[in-house]
Amino acid sequence: QVQLQESGPGLVKPSGTLSLTCAVSGGSISSSNWWSWVRQRPGKGLEWIGEIYDTGTTNYNSSLKSRVTISRDRTKNQFSLRLTSVTAADTAVYFCARKPSGEYSIDFWGQGTLVTVSS
Amino acid sequence: DIQMTQSPSSLSASVGDRVTITCRASQGIRNYLAWFQQKPGKAPKSLIYATSRLQSGVPSKFSGSGSGTDFTLTISSLQPEDFATYYCQQYDNYPITFGQGTRLEIK
Repeated sequence: QVQLQESGPGLVKPSGTLSLTCAVSGGSISSSNWWSWVRQRPGKGLEWIGEIYDTGTTNYNSSLKSRVTISRDRTKNQFSLRLTSVTAADTAVYFCARKPSGEYSIDFWGQGTLVTVSS
Repeated sequence: DIQMTQSPSSLSASVGDRVTITCRASQGIRNYLAWFQQKPGKAPKSLIYATSRLQSGVPSKFSGSGSGTDFTLTISSLQPEDFATYYCQQYDNYPITFGQGTRLEIK
């Protein structure tokens, strides 16, 4: 059973950089899967941020594209999210998730981590 | 971006009822439609992918159907644990997009 666990600072200052890591256990990040980030603002719906494949290929939400970077570390079996120039609007619970390639959708999710942007 | 519109936004039902939630895409998405269940303070749970295929371990009381732009999630014989918010998601085109959610409440 694949498990994902987000980690990172829970508080980030405005104009700063949000950095989160998702540790993957029970499976290799070097597999036929897309590794994704999804966020949920307080009281709102789900928003797809982006994803990375084992080859390093990335896809990002165009609404965030200029500020977001997703990377992976095969040696640590983890992937990361970096979001720059954050504002209060980036306050959200951030989830990491796995999406197998092909016709499959996200199957496994991390528990989520709340990141608050505030001075 | 493809807009996903769910209806209704909220729904009240009783234990034992059968309910249907609709999701409409602003353009055709073939069968790349997924459904997720989310309870307060929890991560989403994956229910259905490719319109009608159940994720591993999901009971058969959940079923999905549709094609093109119109899709449905049906939940039969509602139990207390089924009351949650449900989201559809298209993953045919980037950016991947979600519906706004349907809150299923106990009547």
